[in-house]
Amino acid sequence: RKEVEQDPGPFNVPEGATVAFNCTYSNSASQSFFWYRQDCRKEPKLLMSVYSSGNEDGRFTAQLNRASQYISLLIRDSKLSDSATYLCVVISGGSYIPTFGRGTSLIVHP
Amino acid sequence: NAGVTQTPKFQVLKTGQSMTLQCAQDMNHNSMYWYRQDPGMGLRLIYYSASEGTTDKGEVPNGYNVSRLNKREFSLRLESAAPSQTSVYFCASVVGDRYGYTFGSGTRLTVV
Repeated sequence: RKEVEQDPGPFNVPEGATVAFNCTYSNSASQSFFWYRQDCRKEPKLLMSVYSSGNEDGRFTAQLNRASQYISLLIRDSKLSDSATYLCVVISGGSYIPTFGRGTSLIVHP
Repeated sequence: NAGVTQTPKFQVLKTGQSMTLQCAQDMNHNSMYWYRQDPGMGLRLIYYSASEGTTDKGEVPNGYNVSRLNKREFSLRLESAAPSQTSVYFCASVVGDRYGYTFGSGTRLTVV
């Protein structure tokens, strides 16, 4: 089993839709979690950290489920500009090494 | 502008040639990383430096060497380039493991 797994998609949704991605991780000692966004042929950019209590940033909501070992990203009212690949990142306790998922592709169409 | 700067942005090498990819950050970050990204493979860690003066192998270190020249700079060297090293290379840095990583804009390397 891979350390961090994501459904590669693509998720093809209309503008205004709500879409959710999950990311599962295998190391129960994982302590830090992030969602990154990567546009085609660009570098990954931090979208948001994921806190134990869940957190929201505008249309984006991130949640952590430690019992089931997954994090989620919910995007409400999807915009065309949300089209990108979303990477989850997991860091194990005491480690300086982030493990990246392979990403989930989102395509928002008119 | 503050951030992570990578040079060059594009490079074409012939098999067997050597080159060094440069990375510098001006955010006073402790840890720096080199990744390669290939279609369908995601980001794979080549080498990392947890702090100035230390370097460690990542998932795919073969064919590469690194130098943490000082706190700002972390270079990646290909001693004898091979076609399998054709990829996009990203440098990243972070101040601590509870904070997000900042990436450079990448180097697109083709080995022919």
